[in-house]
Amino acid sequence: AQKVTQAQTEISVVEKEDVTLDCVYETRDTTYYLFWYKQPPSGELVFLIRRNSFDEQNEISGRYSWNFQKSTSSFNFTITASQVVDSAVYFCALSEANDMRFGAGTRLTVKP
Amino acid sequence: DGGITQSPKYLFRKEGQNVTLSCEQNLNHDAMYWYRQDPGQGLRLIYYSQIVNDFQKGDIAEGYSVSREKKESFPLTVTSAQKNPTAFYLCASQFAGDAYEQFFGPGTRLTVL
Repeated sequence: AQKVTQAQTEISVVEKEDVTLDCVYETRDTTYYLFWYKQPPSGELVFLIRRNSFDEQNEISGRYSWNFQKSTSSFNFTITASQVVDSAVYFCALSEANDMRFGAGTRLTVKP
Repeated sequence: DGGITQSPKYLFRKEGQNVTLSCEQNLNHDAMYWYRQDPGQGLRLIYYSQIVNDFQKGDIAEGYSVSREKKESFPLTVTSAQKNPTAFYLCASQFAGDAYEQFFGPGTRLTVL
């Protein structure tokens, strides 16, 4: 069965610091998809990015970047120059065979 | 505007009562999901449905029931058999297939008094 581990339960940084959220996954399939979601205090999860198992290119979107490494089964998320609005719970997820599994989430607090 | 709606946002229930949480989507998505989230915890899958008139148990289905009579709707009933129902409930939908992200509703916070 697949598994997603987000070892960092909570992270606290000061505004403008860079922060990396870790995600490690386990799967036996060669075809799978990885996702990151953001859950702000309002509660609704917001989709951030999707990566398929055959595309290891890193991606950058504004202050957000993602590093996918199959060799270490990791899909880490970095926020550059963090802002208070980045405070949220972030979830990593793995989807394969019509089954999506979420990690336990990392609560990020960005202090002014 | 397309999206997922859940109602009500807050729900209070007395012990021993059944309660139904609503979830509607107008995204023409095939699959719909119910998750439970407890404070400081991740998402746990209760039930999911890939197609109308069919649904499957997730990891924590005991004490819950669902129906999928229409593509747009996937209501969740929390029965009196659920021992600890106080939680935040999230509904999601997606197009069929692993490649697609799930879209989430705003959630319903259920409190048992």
